[in-house]
Amino acid sequence: DQQVKQNSPSLSVQEGRISILNCDYTNSMFDYFLWYKKYPAEGPTFLISISSIKDKNEDGRFTVFLNKSAKHLSLHIVPSQPGDSAVYFCAASASGGSNYKLTFGKGTLLTVNP
Amino acid sequence: EAGVTQFPSHSVIEKGQTVTLRCDPISGHDNLYWYRRVMGKEIKFLLHFVKESKQDESGMPNNRFLAERTGGTYSTLKVQPAELEDSGVYFCASSQDRQGLGGYTFGSGTRLTVV
Repeated sequence: DQQVKQNSPSLSVQEGRISILNCDYTNSMFDYFLWYKKYPAEGPTFLISISSIKDKNEDGRFTVFLNKSAKHLSLHIVPSQPGDSAVYFCAASASGGSNYKLTFGKGTLLTVNP
Repeated sequence: EAGVTQFPSHSVIEKGQTVTLRCDPISGHDNLYWYRRVMGKEIKFLLHFVKESKQDESGMPNNRFLAERTGGTYSTLKVQPAELEDSGVYFCASSQDRQGLGGYTFGSGTRLTVV
């Protein structure tokens, strides 16, 4: 049973436009959410995070939005650049546990076309 | 600062053989995690060390998998005997604090292929 779902396996956008990656979760105990970016043959790289007490977090071109009632979060990249082409993983954790193990989605392959 | 180092980067072994994966975390990081990604699927948690102690090993698939962390430094993950379904990419990650609020630092992974 997948607790974190990324329903779009891939997304293609034009350079300069907005990329929107979506993520849904089912476990109401999750209270911290992260996005990771992964290039081929490399490990995931932390991108941005958001706590459940917030509904938006922004870092440069990257903004994460959290809708707790819908159990949905999204990552916006504006403007998109060819170097943003990678697999993006949504991840969640429950701080009430003894550790902060992450539950990941399957990832979305973003392709930014020049 | 050196990152998380994993060795080997690739390993191809026959079913029934033994393989040992190694992870060197960032120096000073007490928290070390192992994750695995089977092709096309999500990255799944295997276990978590705090220093040399296993904090949570709920994600370990079965008793063919054995993880150790000697002296709270590097960690090894042994698969014995390997089965076909063990194929995948094994990631190690480390963080300084348990919360990992800044996100873990992952290694590049070990791609294990069992034939």
